[in-house]
Amino acid sequence: NAGVMQNPRHLVRRRGQEARLRCSPMKGHSHVYWYRQLPEEGLKFMVYLQKENIIDESGMPKERFSAEFPKEGPSILRIQQVVRGDSAAYFCASSPDSRPYEQYFGPGTRLTVT
Amino acid sequence: GQSLEQPSEVTAVEGAIVQINCTYQTSGFYGLSWYQQHDGGAPTFLSYNALDGLEETGRFSSFLSRSDSYGYLLLQELQMKDSASYFCAVTSDPSNTGKLIFGQGTTLQVKP
Repeated sequence: NAGVMQNPRHLVRRRGQEARLRCSPMKGHSHVYWYRQLPEEGLKFMVYLQKENIIDESGMPKERFSAEFPKEGPSILRIQQVVRGDSAAYFCASSPDSRPYEQYFGPGTRLTVT
Repeated sequence: GQSLEQPSEVTAVEGAIVQINCTYQTSGFYGLSWYQQHDGGAPTFLSYNALDGLEETGRFSSFLSRSDSYGYLLLQELQMKDSASYFCAVTSDPSNTGKLIFGQGTTLQVKP
């Protein structure tokens, strides 16, 4: 019974490049959330998706960031033209329909922008 | 604005009981969750309170007082493996109960 999968675990990008982060939710979960965490800080909500729909993107920066959860395949968080300030750990989580507050997190992707 | 306050660090000895408090100020309130995170790894769900009172799950208990905008996580019979960061998180939007607002976290150090 696989948990939430994220890849890559570590990603290094130079300023101006694009970063693509992938997340496969737990089997049976149709709700996916993305969070960002800076060192020594809490997790910051970015976006909530269901299959083919963005439900809430109130935590996403308006520019350069986008997310999708297609009918087939993993959820993707895309960051265009990365800057040093994008360096962080990005966590994906999924939840069962009946308990959205009970979120199961993946191991995270550590993004480093050089 | 939305804010959650937790102590930044707590230290306790093995076998003891420790309480981690969380006060919140949010535009709405639906429930309070607690998560554990070891060394920057995947956060793990511990508990959830939507109603006032105490919820017990093994060595861990969580309490909520909606009128005081306050909750706590109680860890009993502390073990070394309980050394981790603990985050409270509020669900403030009943139309989006999956959107969690996290506190800054409390680092718990358990000593022998």
